[in-house]
Formats: sequence, structure tokens, C-alpha cells
Amino acid sequence: DAKTTQPTSMDCAEGRAANLPCNHSTISGNEYVYWYRQIHSQGPQYIIHGLKNNETNEMASLIITEDRKSSTLILPHATLRDTAVYYCIVKGGNTPLVFGKGTRLSVIA
Amino acid sequence: DSGVTQTPKHLITATGQRVTLRCSPRSGDLSVYWYQQSLDQGLQFLIQYYNGEERAKGNILERFSAQQFPDLHSELNLSSLELGDSALYFCASSVGLAGAREQFFGPGTRLTVL
Repeated sequence: DAKTTQPTSMDCAEGRAANLPCNHSTISGNEYVYWYRQIHSQGPQYIIHGLKNNETNEMASLIITEDRKSSTLILPHATLRDTAVYYCIVKGGNTPLVFGKGTRLSVIA
Repeated sequence: DSGVTQTPKHLITATGQRVTLRCSPRSGDLSVYWYQQSLDQGLQFLIQYYNGEERAKGNILERFSAQQFPDLHSELNLSSLELGDSALYFCASSVGLAGAREQFFGPGTRLTVL
């Protein structure tokens, strides 16, 4: 079973920041938080990952709380092309990715 | 474009048949993963290979098998196909085994069993 809890769906206005929350209260010290997204039926796309520090790349920012029990993925200026299912995954070591149901983000014009 | 290629894109076959799905990982990646995505089960990990050796197994049926060849491409063989095997099959690759490495997914093969 997935170790994360995410809202089923969210809406975001185009051009605004999309903030996608994820709860992972049972995360272990050596486990990372990964975010992937899947646009329609395409292959999942890696977005970002982090251990305990906040991370930023060209796609998004990842904010992890100090106790590491939750995190937020931030898409700073959402576009229609960001409409997708977003998966928050907790993973450590050589374990495989375990996908939950994710959050369906709809970006609205 | 992730750099991972999968063939064929679509496959339509009948129950009881056998098919082979092919995956070429990104250049330099040694790990290959297979996932199945059906409407009712979501994305499920099937199996992982690293440099030709099986490294992890997920919810893979006994009717399914996979291998990774010396050139690092991988094949997923599905036999005695059932209607419920209709799904999207994704291959992913990563540089190595270790935890903090992202996986790059291919475009998938859509299998329809009639």
C-alpha cells in the first residue's frame, strides 16, 4: 500500500501557483519524497525529489516540513499543460516506486 | 522525450495468445523496470532488472516473464493472455540501483486482449 495521502483532485487557475499537499506521517529517516506526474495516458514524468531540505528545479519546488511528515509540491505558474495526475511517493533504498491514486490537478483558463 | 523507447505502441490480440513487449532504456542506464497500469488497479510495479539480473519483483503473474539482454534492452513476455491483462505497460530506466535516482518512463505499450 502507498505510504502517502493526497487529495483526490484539485483545481488551479492558469498562471497561479498550484500547491499540491501530501501527507507521509510514517516516513522513515532514509526515505525520500518523490513527485511524478502523468499527463493523460503518457508515461509518468519525474518532477522532483528530496530528503529533508527544500528543493527547487526548473519544473517545481518541493517544501518538506521539518518533521518530514508532510510535503507540498509547488508549480509556481501553472499552465494548461500542467493538467495531470500528480503522485507523491515515499521511497528508500532500492525499493521500487509504489504509486497511489495521486491528485488529479485541473488547470483552468 | 525521456529517452526510453517501447515497442509496439499498440497491440491487439486474443485470449490465450502470447505477446512480447520491448523496451530500450536511456543510454547509460543499467536498471529497467516494468509497470502495468489498468483502470481498476492503477500503476503497479511488476519487475526490475539491473545489468541483466533480476533485482526486485512486484505483483507479476506467473504467466508473465521478463529478461534484460547484454545490450541492456528488456522484453516482457505475457502468455496465456486473459481479458484482464488489457492495460498500459510502461518501462522505465534509471542509472543504477540506489535510492535517490529518478526513473525515466517510456511512452508505454497499450495491450488490448479480445
